[in-house]
Amino acid sequence: DIQMTQSPSSVSASVGDRVTITCRASQGIRSWLAWYQQKPGKAPELLIYGVSTLQSGVASRFSGSGSGTDFSLTISNLQPEDFATYYCQQANSFPLTFGQGTRLEMK
Amino acid sequence: EVQLLESGGGLVQPGGSLRLSCIASGFRFSDYDMSWVRQAPGKGLEWVSTISASGTSTYYADSVKGRFTISRDNSKNTVSLHMNSLGAEHTAVYYCAKSISGYSTAFQHWGQGTLVTVSS
Repeated sequence: DIQMTQSPSSVSASVGDRVTITCRASQGIRSWLAWYQQKPGKAPELLIYGVSTLQSGVASRFSGSGSGTDFSLTISNLQPEDFATYYCQQANSFPLTFGQGTRLEMK
Repeated sequence: EVQLLESGGGLVQPGGSLRLSCIASGFRFSDYDMSWVRQAPGKGLEWVSTISASGTSTYYADSVKGRFTISRDNSKNTVSLHMNSLGAEHTAVYYCAKSISGYSTAFQHWGQGTLVTVSS
């Protein structure tokens, strides 16, 4: 199974900041990586797939990059609605696996 | 507008069974792989199972293989998850999720989730 490791597990930031969350796969997953945002009590929402393709309707301050085993999600100019938990997911092979999540908190 | 509406969750005793259903609307259901993803209380996301658009291929997490069965009825736009021999470790919110066109192993749309509680 491919293990996905996110870092940090939590991060504190302020409105207007730039934040980067990283995700490492235990083996190469080419470009088969997605990112999700989840707010408390809500279902996750897709932000990015294919490493860097923004889901329709997602703000352009979200961006993704990486290849192989190392990936990142960057949020520029943090907005109040961005404080949430973020998950990466490898879509390369079954069993599909998620990172453990990164909680983005307001400083 | 894509909508996924799960039902069937509830309280079940250990060793019991439950069937979750998800009714889809707003898209051509028979064109998309469908999945179930769960989240135990206070924990992260865990993929459970995926069924191909035609229903001919199914995939399961090792943790549920042999206990859970995913199925779909394309004439009724529904996907189901039959869960047997349930234990406390299966307590979670179960989400139905729709794949992305051309990228079938990621989840573009999610239902609101249905809570399964396994307890005596």
